[in-house]
Amino acid sequence: DARVTQTPRHKVTEMGQEVTMRCQPILGHNTVFWYRQTMMQGLELLAYFRNRAPLDDSGMPKDRFSAEMPDATLATLKIQPSEPRDSAVYFCASGLQSVMDYSEAFFGQGTRLTVV
Amino acid sequence: AQSVTQLDSHVSVSEGTPVLLRCNYSSSYSPSLFWYVQHPNKGLQLLLKYTSAATLVKGINGFEAEFKKSETSFHLTKPSAHMSDAAEYFCVVSVYHGGATNKLIFGTGTLLAVQP
Repeated sequence: DARVTQTPRHKVTEMGQEVTMRCQPILGHNTVFWYRQTMMQGLELLAYFRNRAPLDDSGMPKDRFSAEMPDATLATLKIQPSEPRDSAVYFCASGLQSVMDYSEAFFGQGTRLTVV
Repeated sequence: AQSVTQLDSHVSVSEGTPVLLRCNYSSSYSPSLFWYVQHPNKGLQLLLKYTSAATLVKGINGFEAEFKKSETSFHLTKPSAHMSDAAEYFCVVSVYHGGATNKLIFGTGTLLAVQP
């Protein structure tokens, strides 16, 4: 049963610490998304990749957030330094997209981040 | 600019009665539209999708949605609500982003409560 895997599922950290969230997309998918979900803002698109290349990271605070895909099986989202306002659930999703196929994204279970 | 509007933040129905969750979209291109469901403390699961084939789309768990271009709507319905349908529902539009790329833009969500 193919699924998107996110680690860790929960993370509590102190303000100022570095946080790295990992995502293993579904094998064969060429698009990876990072979303952040909070009560106030709902679901926000932070960044997304096509064939490992970053296409849009305009939703991401550039000074402290970074997203990478070191290889096709791993996507990372890093926050350095973390702040309490970064507390949220971070979702990774993957999909298989082409010019004519607006396919859906499959979501992981999320990483619940708490910055104290 | 492409966007999606969910007209109700909360909907409450009695078990066994019909469900209607409303969604309107704005898109410069022929849109692809999706409904996702999120149960408490869970990830997002695809309910159904519209990609320019049949305008009435059937999804999982008895849900369906009808694409109405003249009304720019994609409302989600179910004939008879079940207690297990209580969750948050997101309407999503796929936004053309140039080249062979598109990204998913989420609505603000509708929280469905089902009363016994």
